[in-house]
Amino acid sequence: DIQMTQSPSSLSASVGDRVTITCRASQGISNYLNWYQQKPGKAPNLLIYAASSLQSGVPSRFSGGGSGTDFTLTISSLQPEDFATYYCQQNYITPYTFGQGTKLEIK
Amino acid sequence: QMQLVQSGPEVKKPGTSVKVSCKASGFTFSHSAMQWVRQTRGQRLEWMGWIVVGSGNTNYAQKFQERVTITRDMSTSTAHMELSSLTFEDTAVYYCARGSMGLDYWGQGTLVTVSS
Repeated sequence: DIQMTQSPSSLSASVGDRVTITCRASQGISNYLNWYQQKPGKAPNLLIYAASSLQSGVPSRFSGGGSGTDFTLTISSLQPEDFATYYCQQNYITPYTFGQGTKLEIK
Repeated sequence: QMQLVQSGPEVKKPGTSVKVSCKASGFTFSHSAMQWVRQTRGQRLEWMGWIVVGSGNTNYAQKFQERVTITRDMSTSTAHMELSSLTFEDTAVYYCARGSMGLDYWGQGTLVTVSS
């Protein structure tokens, strides 16, 4: 199975900050990488697919990048509603594994 | 609007099976792929498998290969996931989700508790 490793596991930041989360795959996955946001008690919500494509309805302050094994999710200016847990997922080869999550907390 | 509505919470004994349903509305179910993901208390997300609704073709994670069956009923636009030989480690929230690239619509989740 492809292992997905996110860093950091947790992050404290303030409203207005620029934040970057990274995701590394244990082997090359081209651009088959998705990012999700999850709030407590809710299902994950798709933010970015194919590494850099913004899902419809997602604010433009979210952006994704990378290819191969190294990927990033950037939030350009944190808003109060962005404090949540973020997951990456590869859909290059089954099983479509997830990262362990990055919890973004208010400083 | 597009919606996936899952069946209610379940409490099961070890060694038994559970079947979770996921009813789709607001999109063409027969043109979709439906995936199943579970989330344990540790918050880790685990991909279990998927079904291509039109063909009925399935693909399961090796970890669950012997115990999981994903089916669909096109007459009711419903996908089902059955997990057998339950253990305490199967206690989790089970989600259905639509998509073949990113998972763009998710059900609300079904809590399955395995308890003696």
